[in-house]
Amino acid sequence: AQKVTQAQTEISVVEKEDVTLDCVYETRDTTYYLFWYKQPPSGELVFLIRRNSFDEQNEISGRYSWNFQKSTSSFNFTITASQVVDSAVYFCALRYGQNFVFGPGTRLSVLP
Amino acid sequence: AAGVIQSPRHLIKEKRETATLKCYPIPRHDTVYWYQQGPGQDPQFLISFYEKMQSDKGSIPDRFSAQQFSDYHSELNMSSLELGDSALYFCASSPLRGEHYNSPLHFGNGTRLTVT
Repeated sequence: AQKVTQAQTEISVVEKEDVTLDCVYETRDTTYYLFWYKQPPSGELVFLIRRNSFDEQNEISGRYSWNFQKSTSSFNFTITASQVVDSAVYFCALRYGQNFVFGPGTRLSVLP
Repeated sequence: AAGVIQSPRHLIKEKRETATLKCYPIPRHDTVYWYQQGPGQDPQFLISFYEKMQSDKGSIPDRFSAQQFSDYHSELNMSSLELGDSALYFCASSPLRGEHYNSPLHFGNGTRLTVT
């Protein structure tokens, strides 16, 4: 079965700290795609980053970076130099075929 | 760029009433999804459409139905509303074919339904 686990329910950091959000997934598919979404207090779901199962190259995009490790089925997301506006719930999601499954989310609070 | 449009943004209904939520996907996106998100929960998949045909069903109650019309907009119809139906309902669209095989879901801003 396809499943996404985000073990961290809530994280609090002080502004300018780096923070890593963990995501572990389960799938039997050999081709799949992983995503991170942000849900700020206003409620909308905003797409942040994606990664294909056949590309383990890790990347940096501005203050965001991600670490995809197929061997451990993990897709961790790091925010560098966090800001108060980063406070939100972050969801990791797995796409297999045309289906998507979301993790339970991690609530990040960035304190000034 | 055009985004997914959902209406209404907020809806208040009483128990046993019906509600209709509307969704206008991003142009040229061939797949539409409906999700329900309860307070403090992750989005739960309800139903999806590919090229106006129902393609997959999740945890959608029998009291709910959905369809996609010839202009690609979709409607989620909810009848005999219960208190537990109070949630944020998201519509999302995505292109799935060809070079878009790794596309994310693009979400609308959601409809917040409150059942009293």
